[in-house]
Amino acid sequence: ETGVTQTPRHLVMGMTNKKSLKCEQHLGHNAMYWYKQSAKKPLELMFVYNFKEQTENNSVPSRFSPECPNSSHLFLHLHTLQPEDSALYLCASQGQLKVVSGANVLTFGAGSRLTVL
Amino acid sequence: AQSVTQLGSHVSVSEGALVLLRCNYSSSVPPYLFWYVQYPNQGLQLLLKYTTGATLVKGINGFEAEFKKSETSFHLTKPSAHMSDAAEYFCAVSKAAGNKLTFGGGTRVLVKP
Repeated sequence: ETGVTQTPRHLVMGMTNKKSLKCEQHLGHNAMYWYKQSAKKPLELMFVYNFKEQTENNSVPSRFSPECPNSSHLFLHLHTLQPEDSALYLCASQGQLKVVSGANVLTFGAGSRLTVL
Repeated sequence: AQSVTQLGSHVSVSEGALVLLRCNYSSSVPPYLFWYVQYPNQGLQLLLKYTTGATLVKGINGFEAEFKKSETSFHLTKPSAHMSDAAEYFCAVSKAAGNKLTFGGGTRVLVKP
């Protein structure tokens, strides 16, 4: 148990479906991230939220729609996806700076494996 | 902009042999450096991090890494590989002020009996 929980762990959907991925953290962190991990490609940052506000959108197609209702929950709404969107979607959270203990550590969830047919 | 280069997308080592994973970074400011490990069907887990102070950093599972500013490197080592070390390893860099991490492409480690 890493402190960041992602559901579902596996999802299969058609290109016309609408589904959502959920991420939850109870670490008291204020920042949350969505990453996409595809086979044979580097980890791709998608979105960053700080205190519920989106601070980064890394040119992600609009068929991916994030939502952050509070600092503990992050969603990724999916609609009209393409087969190339099949990947492992990783959520991570990040606490505030603590200079002595070391900052910027990301705590990752186990990921949601998405297959688009 | 920051970047991370991990030399070798795949590394094969024998059980009991030295594990050496290479990471070079570029950063315009003093970096924070990280190594993460990803086991099959899991998320990334922090192995160790360098922020300030001692340049040799010890992490979990017997891994350690040394920050060498002159070489802009942060190579990861373990003296003796175990079968359980088979995983993918990611090096990452960030600025020192609450910034996001930039990850390398990852190195997959295979441990042979």
